[in-house]
Amino acid sequence: NAGVMQNPRHLVRRRGQEARLRCSPMKGHSHVYWYRQLPEEGLKFMVYLQKENIIDESGMPKERFSAEFPKEGPSILRIQQVVRGDSAAYFCASSPGTGDIYEQYFGPGTRLTVT
Amino acid sequence: KNEVEQSPQNLTAQEGEFITINCSYSVGISALHWLQQHPGGGIVSLFMLSSGKKKHGRLIATINIQEKHSSLHITASHPRDSAVYICAAPETSQGNLIFGKGTKLSVKP
Repeated sequence: NAGVMQNPRHLVRRRGQEARLRCSPMKGHSHVYWYRQLPEEGLKFMVYLQKENIIDESGMPKERFSAEFPKEGPSILRIQQVVRGDSAAYFCASSPGTGDIYEQYFGPGTRLTVT
Repeated sequence: KNEVEQSPQNLTAQEGEFITINCSYSVGISALHWLQQHPGGGIVSLFMLSSGKKKHGRLIATINIQEKHSSLHITASHPRDSAVYICAAPETSQGNLIFGKGTKLSVKP
């Protein structure tokens, strides 16, 4: 019974490159949340998606960041033209979307380093 | 808008001590999460609770909805309990979480 999977676990990008972070939710889960943890800071909400829908992206920076959760395949958080300030740990959490909607299971995170 | 505050920010204990970490929130919520994070590591969900008390091994979590307060207790603490403990509450009815700043626990042998 696999948990939430994220890959890659570590990602190094040069300034100006693109970063793609993937999140595969737990089996049967159709809701995904993305959170960011900047160095020495707490976790902050970025975006909430259901399959093929962005429900709430109020925590997402307005430029360079986008997220999707297609009908098939993992959820993807995409950061274009990365800058040093994007260096952080990015966590996704999945939720069943039915029953207890506040139940969330976290992935191991992707640590992005921008050089 | 919900706000989540934790105390203490840092906690050092001797092995075997009973530990309490507190969390308060500003808006009525339906559930509160306690999470554990080891240095450089992932996030492990310890508890989600909406009332009363839950226990798992040496960990106990309690919540008082009227007082908007939750506590995480660790009995017979061990060096392997050293980690950052984070409480989190739903910011909206959609479930996206708002997090406390975390309590960094260090248990000395």
